[in-house]
Amino acid sequence: NAGVTQTPKFQVLKTGQSMTLQCAQDMNHEYMSWYRQDPGMGLRLIHYSVGAGITDQGEVPNGYNVSRSTTEDFPLRLLSAAPSQTSVYFCASSYQRQWTFGSGTRLTVV
Amino acid sequence: QQQVKQSPQSLIVQKGGISIINCAYENTAFDYFPWYQQFPGKGPALLIAIRPDVSEKKEGRFTISFNKSAKQFSLHIMDSQPGDSATYFCAASVRGPASKLTFGTGTRLQVTL
Repeated sequence: NAGVTQTPKFQVLKTGQSMTLQCAQDMNHEYMSWYRQDPGMGLRLIHYSVGAGITDQGEVPNGYNVSRSTTEDFPLRLLSAAPSQTSVYFCASSYQRQWTFGSGTRLTVV
Repeated sequence: QQQVKQSPQSLIVQKGGISIINCAYENTAFDYFPWYQQFPGKGPALLIAIRPDVSEKKEGRFTISFNKSAKQFSLHIMDSQPGDSATYFCAASVRGPASKLTFGTGTRLQVTL
């Protein structure tokens, strides 16, 4: 039982490049979400999903896309990376309001 | 707009002392208040949570105190240990789709010997 697995752990992108942050959970949780963590700002919700095929925007969705084709996977796509997207990204899944977080992806956009 | 305000930003406590972190919220629809603990390089992990129908919840050395009328809640860590050194986040959520969490800005706790 791996919990929530995020890949890669570290990534450096050039401005304008695109990439996908992977997230997978093996707990059969319906709810999944993506957060970004920036110093002094806590964690802010980017996108979330209440089940396969259903996604919605969070607090800071601009520049990010998500899809949820299976219960297990919830990838986050950066369409055209910008320096403002330099952050640590966390994926999480939930059962009965208890959220389990992955170990994060540290992304630097230069 | 910060819906959950957390203080202090950082805290230094001696081993054996009491660590206290405070949070305040505005949205009266919040009905679940968890605290998360995060070690460097790791994701946040649920530490303890409370619902507004109780004023206090204790789990080992960790206690949440909740004041519904003041819209405030706090985390008390009794007998603080060096292993408690971490960043702590309060959060709140509303019952609904995905029960999304709104986080405070975090408190970096250092417990010294």
